Amino acid sequence: DAGITQSPRHKVTETGTPVTLRCHQTENHRYMYWYRQDPGHGLRLIHYSYGVKDTDKGEVSDGYSVSRSKTEDFLLTLESATSSQTSVYFCAISDSTGEPTEAFFGQGTRLTVV
Amino acid sequence: GNSVTQMEGPVTLSEEAFLTINCTYTATGYPSLFWYVQYPGEGLQLLLKATKADDKGSNKGFEATYRKETTSFHLEKGSVQVSDSAVYFCALSANTGGFKTIFGAGTRLFVKA
Repeated sequence: DAGITQSPRHKVTETGTPVTLRCHQTENHRYMYWYRQDPGHGLRLIHYSYGVKDTDKGEVSDGYSVSRSKTEDFLLTLESATSSQTSVYFCAISDSTGEPTEAFFGQGTRLTVV
Repeated sequence: GNSVTQMEGPVTLSEEAFLTINCTYTATGYPSLFWYVQYPGEGLQLLLKATKADDKGSNKGFEATYRKETTSFHLEKGSVQVSDSAVYFCALSANTGGFKTIFGAGTRLFVKA
């Protein structure tokens, strides 16, 4: 299995509080992604990174920010959590040799905002 | 932009039945196509992939052929098992999309004994 660790695995937080989810990889892959998974929507890309300090928005980035200060760590922050951000969050990594390659996924973080 | 459309589920089959899950895509450039599977409580894992037109990806009895003329990548299995019950995601990644992986909505498969 690819070395991807997400933390925490489960979290319950209150509306309006900031929350940070962490993704750590040991594969030295260039690309890292944060997705959210909701019933009926599949996986939707929140933000992604194509290198240290290089990040870009995905299709559902409002209310989220990210940081990547080291190759191995990609942090997702909910600046002020809302109930609509209750979801399962997946981190993924991929590498590139000039051709699109498969993504490897973490185990997911289940976030509940009450 | 790039997108993936797959058939809605859930799909319920009896053991040993034939499975087809339809997937079509829209992309610029030359995408690679993937099927991922998600078992309950787990993350996604790659099931199979195809990197160019007419390629056939296969794994664990599943197969899918990259059809550029119909922009499709349908998943098939000749005889499903109870252990195949999972959610299946069609996906693409393209160099024109910055190598981001774009997923379909997922199709849940239930296989009855």
